[in-house]
Amino acid sequence: AAGVIQSPRHLIKEKRETATLKCYPIPRHDTVYWYQQGPGQDPQFLISFYEKMQSDKGSIPDRFSAQQFSDYHSELNMSSLELGDSALYFCASSSDNSPLHFGNGTRLTVT
Amino acid sequence: AQKITQTQPGMFVQEKEAVTLDCTYDTSDQSYGLFWYKQPSSGEMIFLIYQGSYDEQNATEGRYSLNFQKARKSANLVISASQLGDSAMYFCAMREGRNGGATNKLIFGTGTLLAVQP
Repeated sequence: AAGVIQSPRHLIKEKRETATLKCYPIPRHDTVYWYQQGPGQDPQFLISFYEKMQSDKGSIPDRFSAQQFSDYHSELNMSSLELGDSALYFCASSSDNSPLHFGNGTRLTVT
Repeated sequence: AQKITQTQPGMFVQEKEAVTLDCTYDTSDQSYGLFWYKQPSSGEMIFLIYQGSYDEQNATEGRYSLNFQKARKSANLVISASQLGDSAMYFCAMREGRNGGATNKLIFGTGTLLAVQP
């Protein structure tokens, strides 16, 4: 069965640089979520999209933005990166109250 | 506000034995879902089992079962016949009802690190 695809798997950036993470949800899933998981932490909700419109917003910094495109893939854009942004970033998708299915995550390291 | 509590930061279990991972939740919503996810050291988040608030029977998926006690607001995960590959972080999560058509986000507990010993 198709799963959520995230790219890249690993990303190394320097402080103040920008990064773009991509997510391809499971086909026919109408909701996409972004989560941030710091070392030793539980995943924290950042933002979600339902049918390409932002549906909910969590603890997403103003330096981050996200969108969902017509083909339902989503991108998380991160600017002015800080050391504290180093984390595992998950994308997940679901539909009709089904469980969230997570991608393998993008591990971002900011140096 | 909804909240998930996992009071066991770490657990040990002998291979082939059963283990219970605790989870309590708090919500004012009548319609909600409870989930357990497994996160191995490799980092991926693997869905294990789901229990809806209106489900009368406890959910089971292979060696996983969910001991759902609605009045006590608990949703403990039971893993039977533990295997070495079960060693991982386990997260309990909750989702309240649909929000304007969109499926609501999950709120996670802090997790329990399970170590299965041979």
